[in-house]
Amino acid sequence: NAGVTQTPKFQVLKTGQSMTLQCAQDMNHEYMSWYRQDPGMGLRLIHYSVGAGITDQGEVPNGYNVSRSTTEDFPLRLLSAAPSQTSVYFCASSPAYTGDEQFFGPGTRLTVL
Amino acid sequence: GQQVMQIPQYQHVQEGEDFTTYCNSSTTLSNIQWYKQRPGGHPVFLIQLVKSGEVKKQKRLTFQFGEAKKNSSLHITATQTTDVGTYFCAGGATNKLIFGTGTLLAVQP
Repeated sequence: NAGVTQTPKFQVLKTGQSMTLQCAQDMNHEYMSWYRQDPGMGLRLIHYSVGAGITDQGEVPNGYNVSRSTTEDFPLRLLSAAPSQTSVYFCASSPAYTGDEQFFGPGTRLTVL
Repeated sequence: GQQVMQIPQYQHVQEGEDFTTYCNSSTTLSNIQWYKQRPGGHPVFLIQLVKSGEVKKQKRLTFQFGEAKKNSSLHITATQTTDVGTYFCAGGATNKLIFGTGTLLAVQP
């Protein structure tokens, strides 16, 4: 099993550009989530999904969209990138819900100029 | 909304000294998890606590969940250089796992 994979590993965008961060897991996990990590702020929940076709907002959802058309994939879309979205983004999955161990991907380091 | 705070933000110790990080939630938690993130890496699950007053040990690490299920602590006895990293608590409530701000541990040999 590859576990949780994220692409790309690094990305530089210009303000106003849009892009999609990819996340996939091969463990048949129902629960998936996206976090951003900034110095001194810990990990902040952006969006999460409890199963295919179901998504919900986390702590900091503004400027981001998600969809969950399959169990395996949970892409994160930046609609119009802003410098404040410069961060490290982690995708995570778990078998059922937040009471299970979360498995994290390796992260995507995004810089918005 | 739910907030989870951790203290201290940073701790520097000599190898062999003990280390403790504390986690406090603004609301009652259904469970608390602890993760470790090595520099440049991703968070890795350490343990989960569910019951009020629960204490669990993993070798030199001791984890505790408060009686009111609003606070938790992680204690490392006799730190080693391999303990270096950021330790996060994460509180579970209604399909959301909210992470604390983390404690960065530096260990000087």
